Amino acid sequence: AQSVTQLGSHVSVSEGALVLLRCNYSSSVPPYLFWYVQYPNQGLQLLLKYTSAATLVKGINGFEAEFKKSETSFHLTKPSAHMSDAAEYFCAVSEVAGGTSYGKLTFGQGTILTVHP
Amino acid sequence: DVKVTQSSRYLVKRTGEKVFLECVQDMDHENMFWYRQDPGLGLRLIYFSYDVKMKEKGDIPEGYSVSREKKERFSLILESASTNQTSMYLCASSFGDGGNTIYFGEGSWLTVV
Repeated sequence: AQSVTQLGSHVSVSEGALVLLRCNYSSSVPPYLFWYVQYPNQGLQLLLKYTSAATLVKGINGFEAEFKKSETSFHLTKPSAHMSDAAEYFCAVSEVAGGTSYGKLTFGQGTILTVHP
Repeated sequence: DVKVTQSSRYLVKRTGEKVFLECVQDMDHENMFWYRQDPGLGLRLIYFSYDVKMKEKGDIPEGYSVSREKKERFSLILESASTNQTSMYLCASSFGDGGNTIYFGEGSWLTVV
């Protein structure tokens, strides 16, 4: 079975500082990996996804993530935090195409990002 | 833009009531999902459907059922609501298989008293 672990339920950074949100996955085969963001009182919005093309994936709002198979990790980074980045971030995994997963996602526990002025 | 619409944003129901949460998507997606979101637990899959009238259990189906009579609509049913079902419920949809983006609705906050 697949699983996702996000290290740190809360991360706090200063505006302009590096953002690093950690995600590790467990899967018998290299999966597809996603990062979603949730702003208060809203649904989830896709930030970026890895689907076995380039291992460094660029997403919206200046975020990027790198797939490292040897470390089973997919950490999310942004060079310079902005106040508007304050939200909850979810890492998720799905099985590769060709199975019967229908693309359903298994999510991590979420990381709340706080940005201080 | 894909739109997933959940009919009720906030509901308060009594213990033992039958509760319907409705979800509609406008992109002709085959797959639809119901997730439950709780603090510290992330999102957990309750049920999903890959075609009209087809459904499969997710990780936490107990106490829930679903209905998909039309491709665009997926309903979550709590047969007899209990206080431990107080939560945020998120509907989502996608097409095809793994790797495709799953689009989420804005969520329904359900409080059972």
